[in-house]
This record gives sequence, structure tokens and C-alpha cells, in this order.
Amino acid sequence: SYVLTQPPSVSVAPGQTARIPCGGANIGTKTVHWYQQKSGQAPVLVVYEDNERPSGIPERFSGSNSGHTATLTINRVEAGDEADYYCQVWESDPDSDLSFGGGTKLTVL
Amino acid sequence: QVTLRESGPAQVQPTQTLTLTCTFSGFSLTANGMCVAWVRQPPGKALEWLALIDWEDDKFYRTSLRTRLSISRDTSKNEVVLTMTDMDSADTGTYYCARTRQADYAFEYWGQGALVTVSS
Repeated sequence: SYVLTQPPSVSVAPGQTARIPCGGANIGTKTVHWYQQKSGQAPVLVVYEDNERPSGIPERFSGSNSGHTATLTINRVEAGDEADYYCQVWESDPDSDLSFGGGTKLTVL
Repeated sequence: QVTLRESGPAQVQPTQTLTLTCTFSGFSLTANGMCVAWVRQPPGKALEWLALIDWEDDKFYRTSLRTRLSISRDTSKNEVVLTMTDMDSADTGTYYCARTRQADYAFEYWGQGALVTVSS
């Protein structure tokens, strides 16, 4: 299966920019989605198709994807952004498979 | 309004078979491109995809668990059922069902999750 690598943790002060990387072999050729999961809750889709935001997700959330790294960027970080973040891809070649990254805990200092 | 809800036993014994049901509303699983998947999360660990069923009744499974998993649907009841055989303590966790679409396989809607504990 396709391996997605995320750092276990990222810390940022309120008002600053958080960047959460997701590494994978030629991930830039794949479609990446990002989820936010707060403690005790189900995940929420915050970015899909590399850089699109679902309805209701603040513009502070954005994504990029190139080469071997996809990145979730959160501008003007707020205390309420503290959560675990997961990247995800779907592969159809050679076999259909869906992978999540190991997750990154975002701590707002 | 799209909703999904997982139901099933909170506890199963080792070697038993787990059966979970996802009851959904607000969409039809026979609509073009529609899919429902199961994702689990062991306590304190990452999300792990298990299985997916699509609008054409095609089924996809996590390679490492393929021999233990089965996914099916009842379109008349708006239900998707997951069975997992030979349960072990390592299978303890929260099991989610989620809706996605064949266009991009992003999980737009999730159930609240069902905690399953494997213990004798």
C-alpha cells in the first residue's frame, strides 16, 4: 500500500501560520485530502482535491501538492484549530487502495 | 441533509465475528458515483481504511485485512454492513462509516463512530 508520512507534532503560536507536511512517493501526481479531528470527535474534511475547501471551512485553511510532499497550511492559527490532522489518498493502480497518513498533532502554544 | 450512524456491539470476544451496520440518509447509494466506506481508529492511533462499497455494488478491501472483511449493502434499507471475522484485541477501536464519491474519494460525511472493544 501507498505510504504517507506525517510528523507526529507541529506547534505554533496563535496568529502564526502552521504548515503540516504529508510525504509520499510522487505524491504530486496524486489527489490528496486533509481531515481535522478534534479530541473525541469524528474527522472533518477541511481540504479536498489538494487545495479545495468544503463549504463552511474557513479560508485560513489551504493546501498544496507537488513533488513528494503535500502540505496543509493554516493561516492565522486559532486555539480552536488544535487537533489531529490527517492526509489521505486513493490509489487505483495496481490495486484499489486508500491510505491515511499517521496524523499530526497541531498544538497551539 | 446527509447523516450516517453506526450500530453494533460495544464488545466482542476474541475469535468472534464483528458485525456493524451503517444506516444512512440524505442520499442514495445507487446514485452514480456514490460510495460508503468503513474506517477504524485504535485508541490513540491513526485512521485506517477498511473497506468501501460503491454505487455499482463493487467492493474494495484493505489488502492486509482482505481475508477477514466483508462489506455489503441493502439499498432498500439504506444500510451498509461490515463483518470482520476472527476478532483480536488489536481490533479494538472506534469504527466509522463515511460517505465518499468516486470522483475523488474524499470523505465528506462521517458517522459519529462506534467504539468496539475486543475482550473476554
